[in-house]
Amino acid sequence: AQSVTQLGSHVSVSEGALVLLRCNYSSSVPPYLFWYVQYPNQGLQLLLKYTTGATLVKGINGFEAEFKKSETSFHLTKPSAHMSDAAEYFCAVSDGTGGFKTIFGAGTRLFVKA
Amino acid sequence: NAGVTQTPKFRVLKTGQSMTLLCAQDMNHEYMYWYRQDPGMGLRLIHYSVGEGTTAKGEVPDGYNVSRLKKQNFLLGLESAAPSQTSVYFCASTSSVNQPQHFGDGTRLSIL
Repeated sequence: AQSVTQLGSHVSVSEGALVLLRCNYSSSVPPYLFWYVQYPNQGLQLLLKYTTGATLVKGINGFEAEFKKSETSFHLTKPSAHMSDAAEYFCAVSDGTGGFKTIFGAGTRLFVKA
Repeated sequence: NAGVTQTPKFRVLKTGQSMTLLCAQDMNHEYMYWYRQDPGMGLRLIHYSVGEGTTAKGEVPDGYNVSRLKKQNFLLGLESAAPSQTSVYFCASTSSVNQPQHFGDGTRLSIL
């Protein structure tokens, strides 16, 4: 069965600092992995996705994530945080074995301090 | 591009009342989903559909019903609203499980 664990429900960084949001997954077959961002009073928007191919995936707004099969991880990073990055971030996994469902992590709220 | 449109955006109900939430997508997606989002619990799948005329139960289906009579529409019904159903409801659609889901902006529902 698929599952997703996001380490840390809240992460706080200073503006200009590295952003690191952690995501670990479990899947019985090669997974499809996603990161979404949610701004207040909005729906989720796709940041980036991994399906096959290159394990380092670049997304919008300067974010990137690396698929590490040996560690079953898909951590999200951004070299330099901006105030506008403050939002909630969700990691998600699907592998086709869950009846066309995608499993979402509980979310990590990112705070950016000036 | 409209994408996924949810109506209404806000609603307040009294316990025992019924209502229907509408989700419409204009991307010709086969798969559609209803989630609820509660603080600290992420997204929980209520029901989903893999095509016109099909529906299936998700993680938290009790107290909800759904219908997908047309490919572009996915309706979520509450037959007898309860305070525990106070939540933000999101609809999403996708063309395939290896593609991202597209989300609406949500319906904020309060049950008094």
